[in-house]
Amino acid sequence: KNQVEQSPQSLIILEGKNCTLQCNYTVSPFSNLRWYKQDTGRGPVSLTIMTFSENTKSNGRYTATLDADTKQSSLHITASQLSDSASYICVVTNFGNEKLTFGTGTRLTIIP
Amino acid sequence: KAGVTQTPRYLIKTRGQQVTLSCSPISGHRSVSWYQQTPGQGLQFLFEYFSETQRNKGNFPGRFSGRQFSNSRSEMNVSTLELGDSALYLCASSLAGTSNQPQHFGDGTRLSIL
Repeated sequence: KNQVEQSPQSLIILEGKNCTLQCNYTVSPFSNLRWYKQDTGRGPVSLTIMTFSENTKSNGRYTATLDADTKQSSLHITASQLSDSASYICVVTNFGNEKLTFGTGTRLTIIP
Repeated sequence: KAGVTQTPRYLIKTRGQQVTLSCSPISGHRSVSWYQQTPGQGLQFLFEYFSETQRNKGNFPGRFSGRQFSNSRSEMNVSTLELGDSALYLCASSLAGTSNQPQHFGDGTRLSIL
């Protein structure tokens, strides 16, 4: 069964600190992996999309890594800001049928 | 460029009623997908429409249906509402389909069933 597991479920860090969110998946065959940021009361916003051949991708202070061999991805946030407080969702796409499997997200809270 | 627009933003219904939600995709986007989001289950895929045809479907009962019009606007209908249908319903559009293209989400319709 295709699954996407994210850890931790929730995380609280001080403003200015770095953090790393994890995503492990069993989806196969693999097409791509996406990270989304979802602010409370808003729809998700795409941060990165990574294909099989990409192992690192950055979007400002967000850097995603992908290890397709171990089926793991991480999202690293550098120098966190209060506006980074949100849920971060990992999504993996099946190659062929294009079905999406969603993780349940990591709730990140940045405190001043 | 206007983003994905979902209406209404909030809706309160009672059990047994039916509801229709609307989604206007980004101009030029032909693929529209619908998702249900609840605190316990996270995001779950309902269905995807492309050029007025349902291209993909999730594991939801037949009470959940949708359609897409020639201008790519989409509607989702839920009949015989149940308490468990209370959720945030999100719509996302992309140029031609999920593939390697980014999906752009609306801010959702918050549906509460009393």
